[in-house]
Amino acid sequence: DTAVSQTPKYLVTQMGNDKSIKCEQNLGHDTMYWYKQDSKKFLKIMFSYNNKELIINETVPNRFSPKSPDKAHLNLHINSLELGDSAVYFCASSQFRGGTGLETQYFGPGTRLLVL
Amino acid sequence: AQSVTQPDIHITVSEGASLELRCNYSYGATPYLFWYVQSPGQGLQLLLKYFSGDTLVQGIKGFEAEFKRSQSSFNLRKPSVHWSDAAEYFCAVIPGVTGGGNKLTFGTGTQLKVEL
Repeated sequence: DTAVSQTPKYLVTQMGNDKSIKCEQNLGHDTMYWYKQDSKKFLKIMFSYNNKELIINETVPNRFSPKSPDKAHLNLHINSLELGDSAVYFCASSQFRGGTGLETQYFGPGTRLLVL
Repeated sequence: AQSVTQPDIHITVSEGASLELRCNYSYGATPYLFWYVQSPGQGLQLLLKYFSGDTLVQGIKGFEAEFKRSQSSFNLRKPSVHWSDAAEYFCAVIPGVTGGGNKLTFGTGTQLKVEL
């Protein structure tokens, strides 16, 4: 009965490769997010989708491309992986409240990406 | 600039002692406030949140937090710490109606160690 799940949990790959991380939520939420946690544990939002539409797009290299096939899924594809992409990537979901901020985000367990 | 500050990077307490983790924010108006906990190798779990109303908020695992507008603070407290509370604690805010929609901004985290 996992609320927000991510696959894979660990990902080790070579520089230059392309990889994808998948996220699914069964909370019935309509908004999903990707966050990046760096080696110093600093968390920063990357993207947010509401009803499959992109609503937040922070300054992220265009090698990162989120895709939302439906409200329950948000995948993150990364092209031409670089050493600096090594991090923990967290997916989250919430029920959108019209941009008022009156919502709670629930996080997945994270995907630990290591680029060699 | 808008920011969230957790002044203490590391805190060590003895099991059974009381705990207070500090969080200060810098926003034009009262944001919406959250505390999350991240256990080693795990995802982020919501401890509690403040949107409005009573400024003393109760959360899970015996935690509480108090919103103090005059001090722009939202400190997390627990009267008696258990060894299982050892983790990284993150304060986070959503700017709310002042702008930023549902963008969750995190502090840099406080690592809690519990001595037996």
